Amino acid sequence: RKEVEQDPGPFNVPEGATVAFNCTYSNSASQSFFWYRQDCRKEPKLLMSVYSSGNEDGRFTAQLNRASQYISLLIRDSKLSDSATYLCVVNGGQAGTALIFGKGTTLSVSS
Amino acid sequence: GAVVSQHPSWVICKSGTSVKIECRSLDFQATTMFWYRQFPKQSLMLMATSNEGSKATYEQGVEKDKFLINHASLTLSTLTVTSAHPEDSSFYICSARSSTGYNSPLHFGNGTRLTVT
Repeated sequence: RKEVEQDPGPFNVPEGATVAFNCTYSNSASQSFFWYRQDCRKEPKLLMSVYSSGNEDGRFTAQLNRASQYISLLIRDSKLSDSATYLCVVNGGQAGTALIFGKGTTLSVSS
Repeated sequence: GAVVSQHPSWVICKSGTSVKIECRSLDFQATTMFWYRQFPKQSLMLMATSNEGSKATYEQGVEKDKFLINHASLTLSTLTVTSAHPEDSSFYICSARSSTGYNSPLHFGNGTRLTVT
């Protein structure tokens, strides 16, 4: 089983739509959770951290369910500029201090 | 915000040669840096954790003698791909944390696109 699994998509939605991405992780000892965004052929950029109580940043809402080892990202009122690959990330690696990335979910927002 | 600089951005080399990639933290000190590799349409794969002043911790399946990591100062880690072959062609990217604790996110360099001919 992969450490972090995501539905690769692609998700094709019109502007203004609400879209949700899901992610599961295998290591129950994971303590840190993030969503990153990666544009084509660029480095990943932090979108938001994910906290146990759930958190919101503008149009983006992240949820964490530790019991189910499940993370979600909700994007409301999608913009064209939201088109990218969204990466689910948890801490891990041999030393436990690195970040392990999912394969990513591709979002394409059209006008 | 915290800045991580990576050099070169792209490199083309012949099979059998070695390539060195530098990763610098420009405005913070990083005792630990991380090296990733990404093949087209694949996820970022952690290669190793680079520790300042000590040996790197390699992930399972990554050849430490092929991918040499040196972290000689608090602001510089280098990855050398030795005797590169076409299958080593990939996007190599480094990252570091600007604060302690694994609860803080990573800041990424802009990556190095390596093509081995």
